[in-house]
Amino acid sequence: DTAVSQTPKYLVTQMGNDKSIKCEQNLGHDTMYWYKQDSKKFLKIMFSYNNKELIINETVPNRFSPKSPDKAHLNLHINSLELGDSAVYFCASSQVGAYEKLFFGSGTQLSVL
Amino acid sequence: AQTVTQSQPEMSVQEAETVTLSCTYDTSENNYYLFWYKQPPSRQMILVIRQEAYKQQNATENRFSVNFQKAAKSFSLKISDSQLGDTAMYFCAFMKRNNAGNMLTFGGGTRLMVKP
Repeated sequence: DTAVSQTPKYLVTQMGNDKSIKCEQNLGHDTMYWYKQDSKKFLKIMFSYNNKELIINETVPNRFSPKSPDKAHLNLHINSLELGDSAVYFCASSQVGAYEKLFFGSGTQLSVL
Repeated sequence: AQTVTQSQPEMSVQEAETVTLSCTYDTSENNYYLFWYKQPPSRQMILVIRQEAYKQQNATENRFSVNFQKAAKSFSLKISDSQLGDTAMYFCAFMKRNNAGNMLTFGGGTRLMVKP
């Protein structure tokens, strides 16, 4: 049973397309995150949701829109994909106020051609 | 804002030997957590070790231990008896205690190669 699962694992698409990445956690955590890992392996927070409410938005372009239908899901929709969006996107979850630790999904490698 | 610096982009070690990865951070916070994550070629982010800033005792997990120097804002990772499976990217990360969310700030990573 995967704790944090994200789909798809690989996504190859053309510039200008719209795509979504889905994330689900079965840990009962109240907070979920999206991180972006660029080609140089640098990891940076994009968004954080606590109980379905957006609490962190780190100057991400408006083309990126996270959606949290419930505490267990945090999806990432990207409009008008650009070459620079090519990266690995990680979903993670944690329980704030408990044992502070982030559980990561296995990542989605997005390639924009 | 917090920053995390890993000054060694790449390191190598012979199997069974010991290696130390460096990490420094900058923060005005007094209450925080520090982590080392491992990312093997499979891409999965794996928590190696965790340190709470208010604890003076250095964390240890089997072959992995840290040297936490709070005043110097230094958090190095020591891997003893290195194994081939330790080959991976290693990321140092900082987390501020925050009731709104546990955001991790990562260093740039150190690529470790364990040689047979």
